[in-house]
Amino acid sequence: DAGVTQSPTHLIKTRGQQVTLRCSPISGHKSVSWYQQVLGQGPQFIFQYYEKEERGRGNFPDRFSARQFPNYSSELNVNALLLGDSALYLCASSLDTGFRNQPQHFGDGTRLSIL
Amino acid sequence: GQQLNQSPQSMFIQEGEDVSMNCTSSSIFNTWLWYKQEPGEGPVLLIALYKAGELTSNGRLTAQFGITRKDSFLNISASIPSDVGIYFCAGLSYGGATNKLIFGTGTLLAVQP
Repeated sequence: DAGVTQSPTHLIKTRGQQVTLRCSPISGHKSVSWYQQVLGQGPQFIFQYYEKEERGRGNFPDRFSARQFPNYSSELNVNALLLGDSALYLCASSLDTGFRNQPQHFGDGTRLSIL
Repeated sequence: GQQLNQSPQSMFIQEGEDVSMNCTSSSIFNTWLWYKQEPGEGPVLLIALYKAGELTSNGRLTAQFGITRKDSFLNISASIPSDVGIYFCAGLSYGGATNKLIFGTGTLLAVQP
């Protein structure tokens, strides 16, 4: 079975541009979460979506937005890119928002570099 | 952003040695997790802990959920070169219908053959 897949794997943008990152969860998983991992740090929570609804938001500016589609895939959008947005963006999926015995499984991420 | 305190920051050991690392928080968690991340990859779940005091093993890995629910420990016995990577602890924070992982600062493990 395929794990969590993310695209693209690498992306280079310039300041002020906009970017869209994509995630396909494990088949049967309905919850998708997004995390930002800056070099040398642990991942930071950005969003959680379940059944196409936002269920949680981390401490990120409104330039960050996301959505989930009927097939449970998800997109993360970042507008007006800043140098500080350079990071590895990770997507994780789980069966639903209830966690016990339903661990979050991570994709390999999208490496975003801002010039 | 919020991160848990994880120590040591890095470890450089010889193959066959045992390894211990720990994670502490100022907040209580109901679930503790340990992940391993290798270069170019996402975190891979190693062990999940659901009860205070719980001790769980996964092969050569053993993790414990602290009694205070504010800490957790991971031990790796008889390390091998493929154990190289960054190990992260994570506490699961429940909030309404949301669950989010709060990660530690990571422990870099290097194993000398």
